[in-house]
Amino acid sequence: NAGVTQTPKFQVLKTGQSMTLQCAQDMNHEYMSWYRQDPGMGLRLIHYSVGAGITDQGEVPNGYNVSRSTTEDFPLRLLSAAPSQTSVYFCASSYSWVEHIQETQYFGPGTRLLVL
Amino acid sequence: GENVEQHPSTLSVQEGDSAVIKCTYSDSASNYFPWYKQELGKGPQLIIDIRSNVGEKKDQRIAVTLNKTAKHFSLHITETQPEDSAVYFCAARGGFKTIFGAGTRLFVKA
Repeated sequence: NAGVTQTPKFQVLKTGQSMTLQCAQDMNHEYMSWYRQDPGMGLRLIHYSVGAGITDQGEVPNGYNVSRSTTEDFPLRLLSAAPSQTSVYFCASSYSWVEHIQETQYFGPGTRLLVL
Repeated sequence: GENVEQHPSTLSVQEGDSAVIKCTYSDSASNYFPWYKQELGKGPQLIIDIRSNVGEKKDQRIAVTLNKTAKHFSLHITETQPEDSAVYFCAARGGFKTIFGAGTRLFVKA
């Protein structure tokens, strides 16, 4: 298994540009999520999905869109990038979100985004 | 909203000493408490977790304790080694969302 993969590893954008961060997992996990990591602030949940066709907002959803058309893929879209979105983005997945049912989250290697 | 506070933000210990990181959570519905280790340039990796119906769990040199009444949980690393140097995150989950602490940067001096 490749686990959780993310592309690209690094991206530079200009203010106002759009882009999609890709995330895929090959573990047949139902739950997938996106976090951003900023210095001194830990990881903050942007959006999550509990299965194909089902998504919901996390702590910091503004400026980001997601969709989940397949179990494997969970892309994150920035429609109009802003300097405040400069961050490291992590995708994570788990088999379930239900207590006692393999709720451990596995993280991808991250995408480093710089918005100028 | 839900919040997880983590202390200290930086911890420096001598090789062989113990390290303790403490977290407090606010959501009483939280029932799952994982701890992650993050090395430079990599994604967080689970090192140990504890559920709400358990007070303590140990895995070799790592142990976690949970006090649900006080909403506190802690990570204990004994006999620290230089390869333990990393950033450690605590987290609390209730329902669909996992809330992370701000992280502790652990330095183990040889």
